Amino acid sequence: AQTVTQSQPEMSVQEAETVTLSCTYDTSESDYYLFWYKQPPSRQMILVIRQEAYKQQNATENRFSVNFQKAAKSFSLKISDSQLGDAAMYFCAYRSLAGYALNFGKGTSLLVTP
Amino acid sequence: EAGVAQSPRYKIIEKRQSVAFWCNPISGHATLYWYQQILGQGPKLLIQFQNNGVVDDSQLPKDRFSAERLKGVDSTLKIQPAKLEDSAVYLCASSLVQGGPTNEKLFFGSGTQLSVL
Repeated sequence: AQTVTQSQPEMSVQEAETVTLSCTYDTSESDYYLFWYKQPPSRQMILVIRQEAYKQQNATENRFSVNFQKAAKSFSLKISDSQLGDAAMYFCAYRSLAGYALNFGKGTSLLVTP
Repeated sequence: EAGVAQSPRYKIIEKRQSVAFWCNPISGHATLYWYQQILGQGPKLLIQFQNNGVVDDSQLPKDRFSAERLKGVDSTLKIQPAKLEDSAVYLCASSLVQGGPTNEKLFFGSGTQLSVL
């Protein structure tokens, strides 16, 4: 079974600064999908960004970008120009091509200070 | 577009009691998921439906948990009898795509927070 590890339980960033959240995963598959989800206090999981493993180009969505290192099995999320509304739990998730379920990491709590 | 609706938002019960959660997915979404999120952990899949059929329930504790999705629309997750370790947030999600897995977007509800005393 694939495992997803987020080694940073908590991170803090000042408003307008940049922060990087780390994620590593373990798999023997060559093709898969990776995701970052945001969970605010409302509990609703919101998709931030997704990456197909067969694509070498790193995904970007406005202020959010990823650094996908397939050989190292690393998938970090960079948030630029951090805003107060970015404060939330962030979950990294893995999805196999052969399976349906998202495997989530334990999450990183992001605090944004003024 | 209406999102995924879940109720109740909170539920407090005593151990050995039964409880049920309800989920109404986005209209037209064929796939429905129930996830369990224990405090301090990421969500874990309990069961996945494709229309009204079960695709994956390998992590559902079948001795106490049951789920159904009648007519391929809304779904109910039940726990009977509840244990202390069932305290968690139960998230429902849905997606549009039928057939094989893709990178399609999952839409999540706000969950039901269950406390078992």
